Amino acid sequence: EAQVTQNPRYLITVTGKKLTVTCSQNMNHEYMSWYRQDPGLGLRQIYYSMNVEVTDKGDVPEGYKVSRKEKRNFPLILESPSPNQTSLYFCASSSTSGRAIYYNEQFFGPGTRLTVL
Amino acid sequence: QQPVQSPQAVILREGEDAVINCSSSKALYSVHWYRQKHGEAPVFLMILLKGGEQKGHDKISASFNEKKQQSSLYLTASQLSYSGTYFCGTLMNSGGYQKVTFGTGTKLQVIP
Repeated sequence: EAQVTQNPRYLITVTGKKLTVTCSQNMNHEYMSWYRQDPGLGLRQIYYSMNVEVTDKGDVPEGYKVSRKEKRNFPLILESPSPNQTSLYFCASSSTSGRAIYYNEQFFGPGTRLTVL
Repeated sequence: QQPVQSPQAVILREGEDAVINCSSSKALYSVHWYRQKHGEAPVFLMILLKGGEQKGHDKISASFNEKKQQSSLYLTASQLSYSGTYFCGTLMNSGGYQKVTFGTGTKLQVIP
């Protein structure tokens, strides 16, 4: 089954304790992205990657890191989480097929609900 | 800067129509529409490109006014399954620009 998976689905942690949220897709997509969703603010893009070793900042990258060493994986790293990073996080992927993300839909993972105390 | 969606919320009775609008202050290359049901991930509905090209579900219609940087999603003869939050995502008119900026969403509730 074609899908985007995220782990963990739920996480409660404390301020300053480094954590990684994994994202994996089995559709051979070039484009992958991370979003956070907060009430009243919609979906905001954190980072995106157009291919292996190619990443770029979205609208809210502060406090996050990403890496794209393999095409299928795009982990989100919070090196020193703070309470304002409490949010619902979505990973998404898309096939760019030579036409870029302009023309291609994103497939979203199920989400990771993160609470930072 | 996030695009502005209107209305923020709307309640419809089954069979009624609705229009959801998305407006940007910047020149757009494409607009994407997604629907998110409560507790689920967003799901793709439509893509509209500068120049008139469209891609999406047959039962959903939308428009893109390039001059005004506005897009509208038309939901006709609404069904209970249409309930959810609708997001527009905008992509700027810049070569190689791959960043997607979503609006804050329009919550649609369809009641019997």
